[in-house]
Amino acid sequence: AQSVSQHNHHVILSEAASLELGCNYSYGGTVNLFWYVQYPGQHLQLLLKYFSGDPLVKGIKGFEAEFIKSKFSFNLRKPSVQWSDTAEYFCAVNAGGTSYGKLTFGQGTILTVHP
Amino acid sequence: GAVVSQHPSWVICKSGTSVKIECRSLDFQATTMFWYRQFPKQSLMLMATSNEGSKATYEQGVEKDKFLINHASLTLSTLTVTSAHPEDSSFYICSASGGYNEQFFGPGTRLTVL
Repeated sequence: AQSVSQHNHHVILSEAASLELGCNYSYGGTVNLFWYVQYPGQHLQLLLKYFSGDPLVKGIKGFEAEFIKSKFSFNLRKPSVQWSDTAEYFCAVNAGGTSYGKLTFGQGTILTVHP
Repeated sequence: GAVVSQHPSWVICKSGTSVKIECRSLDFQATTMFWYRQFPKQSLMLMATSNEGSKATYEQGVEKDKFLINHASLTLSTLTVTSAHPEDSSFYICSASGGYNEQFFGPGTRLTVL
């Protein structure tokens, strides 16, 4: 069974700092990769997704992620964070290439951005 | 994006009672719905996958007789926690997919069993 690992449980940054959240997965076959964000008191929202093609994908709110197949990684990045980016971020993997199939989530990373 | 609602948003019940949680896709037809459980400070764990009109597929370790899932229509799935006990207290989240490249998540239901 596949697993997803997020490297950091809690990241604290100041506004304008750059962000990189790590995500590694274990599955040797075709995968679809996702990053979700959960703002305080709100439901999960999709930030971005990778199915195929350009391994550098851009999402909403200035986020991007790079799929590195050789490293089984899909790290999330943002060059300059804002206070409003304070939220919990989840990496998720769907194995087998079914784009709307079941997801395996990482443990989540809480991002706190200080103004 | 598409909207998924859950009802109730929170519920408190006595041990031994059953609780039903509804998940609705408000503006699209959901051929597949997923039920997740989230413990405090932990990730979402998939409990089961349900397709409209067929029996749900449960993940390993999830008791199908305890967590009854019904997906009777393309816009509604229900999760019933039968004979709830304090260890069933958790945050239950559903998601829905209409066959496109995305799952849409509900806001979750906080269950507290006394």
